[in-house]
Amino acid sequence: AQSVTQLDSHVSVSEGTPVLLRCNYSSSYSPSLFWYVQHPNKGLQLLLKYTSAATLVKGINGFEAEFKKSETSFHLTKPSAHMSDAAEYFCVVSSLKGGRRALTFGSGTRLQVQP
Amino acid sequence: DGGITQSPKYLFRKEGQNVTLSCEQNLNHDAMYWYRQDPGQGLRLIYYSQIVNDFQKGDIAEGYSVSREKKESFPLTVTSAQKNPTAFYLCASRPGTSAITDTQYFGPGTRLTVL
Repeated sequence: AQSVTQLDSHVSVSEGTPVLLRCNYSSSYSPSLFWYVQHPNKGLQLLLKYTSAATLVKGINGFEAEFKKSETSFHLTKPSAHMSDAAEYFCVVSSLKGGRRALTFGSGTRLQVQP
Repeated sequence: DGGITQSPKYLFRKEGQNVTLSCEQNLNHDAMYWYRQDPGQGLRLIYYSQIVNDFQKGDIAEGYSVSREKKESFPLTVTSAQKNPTAFYLCASRPGTSAITDTQYFGPGTRLTVL
């Protein structure tokens, strides 16, 4: 079975400081992994996706994530937080479930950015 | 503009009434999905459809129904049998049904409140 654990439900940083949102996954085979961002009362926007081509994945808005198979982790980082980064972030794993491609979502990490 | 539209953005319903949420996409995507999001939780799959005139139950289908008569449309009906329907509902679509095209793209969501 696939699962995703986001290790922090809330993260607070100051504007201009680095962001680290942690995600661990379990999968019986090499998974596809995603990070999505959701602003209040909005849909989910794809930040980046890992598909085994490269372990360091660059996404939109300066975010990147590193796939570490030995640690079963896919942490999201950004060197310098901006006020507009305040949102909820979801780590997601794609897997085969009952013959179909299915997404398993983490419970989310709410990022606060302080001025 | 290509994308996924959901209407209405906010919906209020009295207990015992059925209500239908609209989801339309002009991306020519084959697969479509309905998710439910509750506060502090990740998304849970209600129903999905991989081709026209075919759909399958997801993890929490009880109290919901769908149809897929056209490729671009996948409406969700929340019936009176759904015991706790107040939630944020998200529609998504995916280009194909293979592992290569497993990225899902999300609409802006509909917030349903039962009074």
